[in-house]
Amino acid sequence: ELKVEQNPLFLSMQEGKNYTIYCNYSTTSDRLYWYRQDPGKSLESLFVLLSNGAVKQEGRLMASLDTKARLSTLHITAAVHDLSATYFCAVDVISDYGGATNKLIFGTGTLLAVQP
Amino acid sequence: GAVVSQHPSWVICKSGTSVKIECRSLDFQATTMFWYRQFPKQSLMLMATSNEGSKATYEQGVEKDKFLINHASLTLSTLTVTSAHPEDSSFYICRAMYLWDGYTFGSGTRLTVV
Repeated sequence: ELKVEQNPLFLSMQEGKNYTIYCNYSTTSDRLYWYRQDPGKSLESLFVLLSNGAVKQEGRLMASLDTKARLSTLHITAAVHDLSATYFCAVDVISDYGGATNKLIFGTGTLLAVQP
Repeated sequence: GAVVSQHPSWVICKSGTSVKIECRSLDFQATTMFWYRQFPKQSLMLMATSNEGSKATYEQGVEKDKFLINHASLTLSTLTVTSAHPEDSSFYICRAMYLWDGYTFGSGTRLTVV
């Protein structure tokens, strides 16, 4: 059974600081996603990572994937208050036959609070 | 881009009644629909997967007789919470697949059972 864990669960940081959120998953997968969720809202897609060593950046956020370590990171550079939200990683479940199921199993989430 | 319209956005119902949530794809054909549930301050949990014209596949621990999923057309999937109880209060989100691996999320439905 695929398990996806994130840490930290809660992150309070000051504006201007850097920090990294970690996402570990337990079984092989070929796709990893990062999402942002604001309170009471649905999910906003941030990144999709499809291969080992993939790195994507958008603004102050950068995501990377190490499939061998089953680890993805979401790095925040010079945080601003607008980045306050809950961030989820999600992993595509691979079937017993090795193909994608397109089911996404979500991580535990990281609540990010950026303080002025 | 592909848009899924999810309704209602929020609903309050009495214990014992049933509630239907709709996800409608506006500009594409949704071959597969995934339904998720999210309790406050928790992650999203996959409830079931439905393919158009087929019976839904439920995840372990999800009662199929309580959460009825219908995917009768390529543009509409519904989730009906039957005999709702306060513990069913949650945020329900659909995720629609299109083409080979494109997908989009609905806007979510906040269900409160009183």
